[in-house]
Amino acid sequence: GAVVSQHPSWVICKSGTSVKIECRSLDFQATTMFWYRQFPKQSLMLMATSNEGSKATYEQGVEKDKFLINHASLTLSTLTVTSAHPEDSSFYICSARGGVTYNEQFFGPGTRLTVL
Amino acid sequence: GNSVTQMEGPVTLSEEAFLTINCTYTATGYPSLFWYVQYPGEGLQLLLKATKADDKGSNKGFEATYRKETTSFHLEKGSVQVSDSAVYFCALSDSGPRKLIFGQGTELSVKP
Repeated sequence: GAVVSQHPSWVICKSGTSVKIECRSLDFQATTMFWYRQFPKQSLMLMATSNEGSKATYEQGVEKDKFLINHASLTLSTLTVTSAHPEDSSFYICSARGGVTYNEQFFGPGTRLTVL
Repeated sequence: GNSVTQMEGPVTLSEEAFLTINCTYTATGYPSLFWYVQYPGEGLQLLLKATKADDKGSNKGFEATYRKETTSFHLEKGSVQVSDSAVYFCALSDSGPRKLIFGQGTELSVKP
């Protein structure tokens, strides 16, 4: 149990376009979802925390207009990278917690974004 | 603020060697401590955790003890296998919003 999926697993886009990444909790209701960014051979950096039905809380230094997060249901959160640029290329990982899994975060497999 | 520091990698070991990956933390209050593992091309999986001082987390032959006096949570395994090759992340979760704060990760490579 406690499976989190992400879609797509990888995406290549042109500079200036927007890209949406989905994060789904498949077998539990996720009251809270987290979005992380991971650079090659580096740690995960928390970008934002989203609670179902409310606005996301962004970490310091993360542009909320650049990285739009929506958590409209208990099983789905989306991250939209708007007007993407090459420096936005990275590995984006979501995690989710909720219900009986409240004390533990379960991670998705990640999405590799490459902006040309 | 809260932070986690891990030993730098990569760490290269022969199969059946003993593994230690050091992790120390700085935190206010009483954080929970975690080890996550990331296999190539995959997301993070929880390996083990400890929620209070002197707790020992263990899983798949790995273990780590929450040492409050030394603010450490070192990961150990008595005999590593090739399949243990991965990146290992130490993390803490504060007692408030329970956000995870990760160390920089340690890449482990086990050779046959």
